[in-house]
Amino acid sequence: AQSVTQLGSHVSVSEGALVLLRCNYSSSVPPYLFWYVQYPNQGLQLLLKYTSAATLVKGINGFEAEFKKSETSFHLTKPSAHMSDAAEYFCAVSASKAAGNKLTFGGGTRVLVKP
Amino acid sequence: EPEVTQTPSHQVTQMGQEVILRCVPISNHLYFYWYRQILGQKVEFLVSFYNNEISEKSEIFDDQFSVERPDGSNFTLKIRSTKLEDSAMYFCASGGQGAPTDTQYFGPGTRLTVL
Repeated sequence: AQSVTQLGSHVSVSEGALVLLRCNYSSSVPPYLFWYVQYPNQGLQLLLKYTSAATLVKGINGFEAEFKKSETSFHLTKPSAHMSDAAEYFCAVSASKAAGNKLTFGGGTRVLVKP
Repeated sequence: EPEVTQTPSHQVTQMGQEVILRCVPISNHLYFYWYRQILGQKVEFLVSFYNNEISEKSEIFDDQFSVERPDGSNFTLKIRSTKLEDSAMYFCASGGQGAPTDTQYFGPGTRLTVL
């Protein structure tokens, strides 16, 4: 079974400051990990994903995440926050099944960017 | 860019009534999913669907729920007799091959309110 924990349901950052969103996972099989973003009134959009090719993953909009197996973590960062980064962010893990794969989500972190 | 669409965006119904939520997945995708998010809770997997069959379902997906691909473009979720606790945002998603590294593309969701 898989589970995801996102530390902090709300994060407030100043424009230009570092964004750090924490995600820890639990998985009985090698995990594949995803970060999704949800803007108001929109669906979840993929930011980036870890597929075991590289532990540091770069995504869209300047975000990146590092997979650390020893810490069972996949934290999301962006060096400099922009007002447009205000959204809710979800970390998710998928199971290593042959087909028909479900995502298990964390609780989400809502990011507020202050001018 | 292709996207997943969902209708309606909002649905209000009385307890005990049947509702059908509709989704149009991305046209060349083979796997289809429904997730839901009860207000304040995590996004939860409901069901995955491939080749006109359910490939996996969660404990939530009981006999009150059913899914169907009635034609080549639509994917529907039916709740036979709605309960108050079915009130949630329902997300449809589609993915290419169902592999654990596949990106799932999400629709904007249908907010279901059961009175």
